[in-house]
Amino acid sequence: QKEVEQNSGPLSVPEGAIASLNCTYSDRGSQSFFWYRQYSGKSPELIMSIYSNGDKEDGRFTAQLNKASQYVSLLIRDSQPSDSATYLCAVQYGNKLVFGAGTILRVKS
Amino acid sequence: NAGVTQTPKFQVLKTGQSMTLQCAQDMNHNSMYWYRQDPGMGLRLIYYSASEGTTDKGEVPNGYNVSRLNKREFSLRLESAAPSQTSVYFCASSEVPTGTGNTIYFGEGSWLTVV
Repeated sequence: QKEVEQNSGPLSVPEGAIASLNCTYSDRGSQSFFWYRQYSGKSPELIMSIYSNGDKEDGRFTAQLNKASQYVSLLIRDSQPSDSATYLCAVQYGNKLVFGAGTILRVKS
Repeated sequence: NAGVTQTPKFQVLKTGQSMTLQCAQDMNHNSMYWYRQDPGMGLRLIYYSASEGTTDKGEVPNGYNVSRLNKREFSLRLESAAPSQTSVYFCASSEVPTGTGNTIYFGEGSWLTVV
């Protein structure tokens, strides 16, 4: 059973702070990792992908991958109320993308 | 700029009824997927089609059937609906099924309630 684990939250941060979202996965052979954002009542949308160990930055978002520890994280700098959503970690296993249950993020103004 | 279109958006079924969820994509993608999303469970793969003419089971295929009608369309059928199938269903597509750069695009979702 391929597993992707996330803390369900909610994670509450004040506006302007850094939000840190974490994800662990079970299969060391995984090569592709994704973060999706999902607003309430909407479909998931891709915000970051990462394939190599280390950090990948895109605007206010930074994805971090540590394959030895089987750990993926997403940092959101200067958090805004509009960042309030559920963040889904997804891991590619062969032909399939397996999702975690998601972490609810609330940014308080 | 439709992307992935699924219908219906909302449906209420009685236990034992059958229905088909329709999905079409206009991005010329090879692979298509059906997921269900339940509170606290995340997205779980029901069936997928890596390419036209092929279909495979995902994590939770029981009670469902699929048809890859052509490259654009991938339908999900509930033959005898059960309350446990109350969920939000998402169709998705991607250019290729494996490897890096495999961005999956989702439809807007179909809210299904079985009473």
